[in-house]
Amino acid sequence: GNSVTQMEGPVTLSEEAFLTINCTYTATGYPSLFWYVQYPGEGLQLLLKATKADDKGSNKGFEATYRKETTSFHLEKGSVQVSDSAVYFCALRGGATNKLIFGTGTLLAVQP
Amino acid sequence: GAGVSQTPSNKVTEKGKYVELRCDPISGHTALYWYRQSLGQGPEFLIYFQGTGAADDSGLPNDRFFAVRPEGSVSTLKIQRTERGDSAVYLCASSLSGQTHLYNEQFFGPGTRLTVL
Repeated sequence: GNSVTQMEGPVTLSEEAFLTINCTYTATGYPSLFWYVQYPGEGLQLLLKATKADDKGSNKGFEATYRKETTSFHLEKGSVQVSDSAVYFCALRGGATNKLIFGTGTLLAVQP
Repeated sequence: GAGVSQTPSNKVTEKGKYVELRCDPISGHTALYWYRQSLGQGPEFLIYFQGTGAADDSGLPNDRFFAVRPEGSVSTLKIQRTERGDSAVYLCASSLSGQTHLYNEQFFGPGTRLTVL
């Protein structure tokens, strides 16, 4: 079945460091891919998305490229801020269903 | 406008009791989803409604779990004979429609934290 695997956290970085959070997936067909973010005390929010191979999703300085050849959707940001501290979830939506399948989440802690 | 709301925000119950969790979707959203998030895990799909009907209930773990959406708006997730393993955050989401469309974003509520003692 469909599944998502993302790197375990926590990831601890200093402000202005480069961020990569790895995400790979297993799916039949052509899934859509998402990154969701959960800030402390808040609900899940969509961060970015990509619906077909080679698409790049971007938002708030974060980027991720849909790589079908490596079944990956790694999240990157060139310069993180303390306000980026949150839990990040990679997710996919595949087939004829609209349900989301999530990874286990990666906690990011950015220190000043 | 108002987002997805869920009540109660916290629920503590005893093993074997019955609980109901409520979700108010964004007005006009025809699709509604329930997910369960255990500690340290990502959300797991439970059930999806398109209008009043359950279009996909493949994620319900067993027959103690049931959900309804009688008027196509508010939904209630019902758990009978609760077990300690049911302790989790129950998330509700809604989207404009259930079609797998590019912009059919799911908007999540803040969740209900259920603790079964």
